[in-house]
Amino acid sequence: GAVVSQHPSWVICKSGTSVKIECRSLDFQATTMFWYRQFPKQSLMLMATSNEGSKATYEQGVEKDKFLINHASLTLSTLTVTSAHPEDSSFYICSLGRGPSRATLAKNIQYFGAGTRLSVL
Amino acid sequence: AQTVTQSQPEMSVQEAETVTLSCTYDTSESDYYLFWYKQPPSRQMILVIRQEAYKQQNATENRFSVNFQKAAKSFSLKISDSQLGDAAMYFCAYALASGSRLTFGEGTQLTVNP
Repeated sequence: GAVVSQHPSWVICKSGTSVKIECRSLDFQATTMFWYRQFPKQSLMLMATSNEGSKATYEQGVEKDKFLINHASLTLSTLTVTSAHPEDSSFYICSLGRGPSRATLAKNIQYFGAGTRLSVL
Repeated sequence: AQTVTQSQPEMSVQEAETVTLSCTYDTSESDYYLFWYKQPPSRQMILVIRQEAYKQQNATENRFSVNFQKAAKSFSLKISDSQLGDAAMYFCAYALASGSRLTFGEGTQLTVNP
């Protein structure tokens, strides 16, 4: 079954509004989550690393004031795209850096959410 | 910084045939992990196979196997007996440590012809 729940799967919003995307860890605690962005026919690019109880670490070139990440609990990380514009339209994917057991942790298996397609009009 | 390169933007294969996808990477580390992920049209990332750098033996998972050449920093994926369901975007990825961030290659779009 799914290890990571990501919602919504698709959101359409007007330019200037804010959109919140949730990434929820099912059945186990996730101290670290990753947020990726994927443009059509391109690869996944890491935006930020979300750490429970502390500030997220953003990759170079990612505006932290525009892409707000909150990881207030061990099971939930959120990405808020503030004042979204058409150029923010993309596919956003979260992943968990730790699996539900020592076995998967040792294997360094990451679990991905199903992704969120954001369309800004 | 670590980089991952996939030089084949597109590949095609006939059903039941074998295809090899290429991947090279650059790192100064000696211990790391390499992965192949599959992204079908649903866009859900699916782990295909993984390899620990300290292991000399090439990983295999059913019809999927890798050719890991550590000195050459090469990590190719071989798909045997290709099936229509194998059609997807394939990403090669690198991670330095357990649970750490992934660095992805550009991807290879695989088409399987009936």
